[in-house]
Amino acid sequence: DAGVTQSPTHLIKTRGQQVTLRCSPKSGHDTVSWYQQALGQGPQFIFQYYEEEERQRGNFPDRFSGHQFPNYSSELNVNALLLGDSALYLCASSLGATSTDTQYFGPGTRLTVL
Amino acid sequence: AQSVTQLGSHVSVSEGALVLLRCNYSSSVPPYLFWYVQYPNQGLQLLLKYTSAATLVKGINGFEAEFKKSETSFHLTKPSAHMSDAAEYFCAVSDRYGNKLVFGAGTILRVKS
Repeated sequence: DAGVTQSPTHLIKTRGQQVTLRCSPKSGHDTVSWYQQALGQGPQFIFQYYEEEERQRGNFPDRFSGHQFPNYSSELNVNALLLGDSALYLCASSLGATSTDTQYFGPGTRLTVL
Repeated sequence: AQSVTQLGSHVSVSEGALVLLRCNYSSSVPPYLFWYVQYPNQGLQLLLKYTSAATLVKGINGFEAEFKKSETSFHLTKPSAHMSDAAEYFCAVSDRYGNKLVFGAGTILRVKS
């Protein structure tokens, strides 16, 4: 049973560019959440998708957007990249989005903005 | 708003010694609490979770945590540390209306031989 997978594993971009990160949830899961983990910090919630709609959003600017596809996979898009966007981006999936639904994390995508 | 404070960014123990990682939470509603572990260059793995059943929660790899409402704490313990326990540990809280997680800053555990 495949767990949560993310691509690419590493990415280098320059300021002002746009980036798309991808996530495939664990088999059978229908909810995808994205987190940003800056160096030396805990993950911070960006947003969550369920039934192809953004269900919850954290305190991130509109430059961060996402999408969920009918097969439950998801993309995270970041426009107009800033140096401060350099981080590990984690995707987590769950079956449902209620408080008792455990989130399972992927290995992350390391984004470096130069 | 919910928040988590992990006391001690770095903890060092000898192999075979007790592991104690501290976590205090703030929540205006009854919380659900989690401990995750992160090995270098990997994602987060769930160790255990508290969802209002027993206050003493047992997890994987011999770890356990006790929910203490009066102290707003959810400390993680393991009786005997192994070298393989060296990693970064995160405490997290979610409320009862969804499963968005709010994480602490993490504690790096070092195990000395």
